[in-house]
Parts: sequence; structure tokens; C-alpha cells
Amino acid sequence: SAVISQKPSRDICQRGTSLTIQCQVDSQVTMMFWYRQQPGQSLTLIATANQGSEATYESGFVIDKFPISRPNLTFSTLTVSNMSPEDSSIYLCSVRLDTITEAFFGQGTRLTVV
Amino acid sequence: AQKVTQAQTEISVVEKEDVTLDCVYETRDTTYYLFWYKQPPSGELVFLIRRNSFDEQNEISGRYSWNFQKSTSSFNFTITASQVVDSAVYFCALSEATSARQLTFGSGTQLTVLP
Repeated sequence: SAVISQKPSRDICQRGTSLTIQCQVDSQVTMMFWYRQQPGQSLTLIATANQGSEATYESGFVIDKFPISRPNLTFSTLTVSNMSPEDSSIYLCSVRLDTITEAFFGQGTRLTVV
Repeated sequence: AQKVTQAQTEISVVEKEDVTLDCVYETRDTTYYLFWYKQPPSGELVFLIRRNSFDEQNEISGRYSWNFQKSTSSFNFTITASQVVDSAVYFCALSEATSARQLTFGSGTQLTVLP
């Protein structure tokens, strides 16, 4: 299993500013995933963060808006840049140890942009 | 492409009633994995069960049971004798063996159990 610590747990931000979300895992993992959950919606994959290479973004998400860092096998950050109210969501960090077992999730960051 | 459909957006039941949450999936892979997660109001995702495509055996865990039917591409979840604490959003998810480990989630079903 994996234990994920994500912070901040929540924040209220002004539009036009940026917020960096941190994700710390208690074991080394090759892939980390960032999801967005808009209010009342399902989880949508933003990008896959690979250690030592650039993140792979899903359709509709771009690096300029959601830059990701992955400095080592236990840590990643997601930045939400130039925020607007439409960015108000829960952002979740996730890892999966292999292609068979379940995914583990952080507690989520509940972001409100005003 | 993989897809997960949870047609029930919201379900409301009275405590002690049984309730079934539906999940239908689409995939071209012969090897895949299905999951159910619970998201209580606090927001964290709680893993409930994993099932691989080669194991069609149904599973029971306490008041929870799951019915996996490949013939209809369904993986339904039943809560027996529901309780107020079961109130949450429930997500069904799919992962293909050929994918890069990410999960594709259904839209979720909001279950409300009334006292």
C-alpha cells in the first residue's frame, strides 16, 4: 500500500494568482497522477508525473496552466496558474504501484478561487 | 477507448433498505481491472474493491456485495441493509492492462440514506 500526504487541504485564492499543491508518498513510485474533480463531477486526469521526464498531459490540460514537478520518486507538485473561478475544484494526487492493484489517493486539495 | 457509465446520478433510500448501484464499462482490452471507490462528504476516496477481468466470481464483504458480469459489461454494487453512514458518492473505475496505470472513472452515484 501507499500513504499519500497532500497539502494544503484547502485554500481560498484570488483570481490571477497561482497555487502550488504538494504530494508526498511514503514509498518510491514511478508514476504519480494528478486528477481534478470539479464540483459535483467525477475525477478527470490532468497529467501523469514521471520522475526524470516531463509530465504527460491529457487533452484539455496544458503545461503553462498546470505545471508539474517531479524531483524524486516520492514527491510531486502541481501548480494551478493564473487562477480563475472555473479552477475551483478538488485536486487529487494519486499513485498506483503497478497495473494490477488499486490506486491510492491523497486527501485532496479543495480550492476555491474568488 | 475505455469508458465507464454510472447512469444513476442520485439515489435516495431509507435506512435498512437494500440498494444497488449500477456500473457499465467499455473496453477493447481483454485484460482489465474494475474498482469501486467511496467518497464521503469529507472528500477522500476510499477504496472498496478490485476485480480483474478473468475473475467473474461475485464477492461479498459484510453488507457489501459485487456482481461482475462480463456478458453485459457490468460491475454492480449492492449495499444490504443500508445505513446513514453509507451516504456518499460512489465511483466505479476501470483500468486497462495496456494503459499507463491511470484509472478512468464513471460520473459517480450520490447515495443518500435517510434515517
